[in-house]
Amino acid sequence: QKEVEQDPGPLSVPEGAIVSLNCTYSNSAFQYFMWYRQYSRKGPELLMYTYSSGNKEDGRFTAQVDKSSKYISLFIRDSQPSDSATYLCAMSANGGFKTIFGAGTRLFVKA
Amino acid sequence: NAGVTQTPKFRILKIGQSMTLQCTQDMNHNYMYWYRQDPGMGLKLIYYSVGAGITDKGEVPNGYNVSRSTTEDFPLRLELAAPSQTSVYFCASKQDSDSPLHFGNGTRLTVT
Repeated sequence: QKEVEQDPGPLSVPEGAIVSLNCTYSNSAFQYFMWYRQYSRKGPELLMYTYSSGNKEDGRFTAQVDKSSKYISLFIRDSQPSDSATYLCAMSANGGFKTIFGAGTRLFVKA
Repeated sequence: NAGVTQTPKFRILKIGQSMTLQCTQDMNHNYMYWYRQDPGMGLKLIYYSVGAGITDKGEVPNGYNVSRSTTEDFPLRLELAAPSQTSVYFCASKQDSDSPLHFGNGTRLTVT
């Protein structure tokens, strides 16, 4: 079993839709949770960074962490064609040197 | 502010050739990492370093070597390139163990 599971998609939605992206994990030591956005032929770009359980909002993006279920989510409101990219979840433990990544979900937002 | 810079952007190698992928960061980060990314497989850690002179293996280190003589630079060496090393290689850095990673834009390597 992988430490981090993420549905690779692709996920296709119309412009303006609410997008929900999710990851599950197995290691209860993970405390830091991240979402990265990766455009084609570019490096991953940090979108959201949260510690432990709870919600964090930044503009149209909301990150949720449910440590009891070992489940994290990224919501994108009012999705735009410019949101079309691959979204990677990532997580690490307290004081941990290593960050573990999900496989990434490809998102297409159609105009 | 350049962040993490990787060179070259693209490279084609023949089987058995060697090369060095360059990575430099200008954020004075202590931690530096090399990942490879294959389609549908996410990012796999090759090597990492927590400071100058200190390196350690990740989950897929075979066929690669690294060195860290300065805080800024973390080159990745491929010896005797094999087709299995065809991939996109990303260098990343972070300030400390609890900070998020910052990535470069990658090197696309093809071994034929």
